[in-house]
Amino acid sequence: EAGVAQSPRYKIIEKRQSVAFWCNPISGHATLYWYQQILGQGPKLLIQFQNNGVVDDSQLPKDRFSAERLKGVDSTLKIQPAKLEDSAVYLCASSGWDTQYFGPGTRLTVL
Amino acid sequence: GENVEQHPSTLSVQEGDSAVIKCTYSDSASNYFPWYKQELGKGPQLIIDIRSNVGEKKDQRIAVTLNKTAKHFSLHITETQPEDSAVYFCAASTSGNQFYFGTGTSLTVIP
Repeated sequence: EAGVAQSPRYKIIEKRQSVAFWCNPISGHATLYWYQQILGQGPKLLIQFQNNGVVDDSQLPKDRFSAERLKGVDSTLKIQPAKLEDSAVYLCASSGWDTQYFGPGTRLTVL
Repeated sequence: GENVEQHPSTLSVQEGDSAVIKCTYSDSASNYFPWYKQELGKGPQLIIDIRSNVGEKKDQRIAVTLNKTAKHFSLHITETQPEDSAVYFCAASTSGNQFYFGTGTSLTVIP
């Protein structure tokens, strides 16, 4: 079974630029998550989708972050405009019943 | 919401010794407890999990115990090897597939 796919793996941008990340979950998984992981910390949930509906986006900075999951499969996370403090690894995960699997992450550096 | 605490934050052991990482949770409704191993530059990898109807689970050198009354669960790694060196995260999940993570334990196995 293929795992969670993410791209790009690395991205370097300057502050105030925009960036987008893509995630393809494990086939058949209804729930998709985006996490932000700052160096030395645990994953922090940004948004959780159930199929193409949002379950929890309470910690998503909605003035600059947006996410969508069209057709309940792939998802994109966008940051516009980026700030220095957005430098982190952005992890996508998916779950079927209750077990959650992570992708390799996208390391974002904002200069 | 749920609060997961994890200790210790760093742990060094000699190769062949055992390592124990402990987590506590606050929400008695949590019913699923996964453990993840994260190596440098990679996403978290699920290594073992336990559900609330089970007190202990073992998979080769890795075991997890759960005490629902005290609201704590622990990861035990026996006969540690250098390749066990990584950051380990515990998590607790309630119904609705919402996950809450500990702050991580950096394990170093000294050859």
